[in-house]
Amino acid sequence: QKEVEQNSGPLSVPEGAIASLNCTYSDRGSQSFFWYRQYSGKSPELIMFIYSNGDKEDGRFTAQLNKASQYVSLLIRDSQPSDSATYLCAVTSNDYKLSFGAGTTVTVRA
Amino acid sequence: KAGVTQTPRYLIKTRGQQVTLSCSPISGHRSVSWYQQTPGQGLQFLFEYFSETQRNKGNFPGRFSGRQFSNSRSEMNVSTLELGDSALYLCASSPGTPQETQYFGPGTRLLVL
Repeated sequence: QKEVEQNSGPLSVPEGAIASLNCTYSDRGSQSFFWYRQYSGKSPELIMFIYSNGDKEDGRFTAQLNKASQYVSLLIRDSQPSDSATYLCAVTSNDYKLSFGAGTTVTVRA
Repeated sequence: KAGVTQTPRYLIKTRGQQVTLSCSPISGHRSVSWYQQTPGQGLQFLFEYFSETQRNKGNFPGRFSGRQFSNSRSEMNVSTLELGDSALYLCASSPGTPQETQYFGPGTRLLVL
């Protein structure tokens, strides 16, 4: 079983719609959860981090964490063509490493 | 603040050679981590250094090694290169505690022929 799994893509959404990305993790000791965005040929850039159960909003992005279900999600509201990228879920416990999911590629159709 | 920098950005080597990649973290960050990214395996953790000490290491062969200097700059070395080592090598820095965000550099793209 992979440590971090993301919903398979690619995900295609029309401009202005909501894109929903899901991630599950296997280590119950995980403490910090991150969403990175990676454009083709570029390095990952941080979108959001979340540590506590519940929702965290930042602009058009909302991260949701449910530690009991070992589940973290990312919602992108009012999707824009510039949101077209691969979104990586990353998880860390106390071992000084990030474990990444395989990524979900999102395409926003104009 | 300046971001994480990596040199060189692109590298072409042949099988059997060795390579050294360099990473300068964000000013004030003491932790440097290295990751390998390939289309087939995704992003995989190589190792992490803090105050010149390796705190964790991923499941890579001993051909992959690293070190960190007193100014927090880090290098990784791959000896006896194989075709499968072709990848994007990413360095990330953070202040140093496990829960803090890691910020990635632009990466070094290595092609082994």
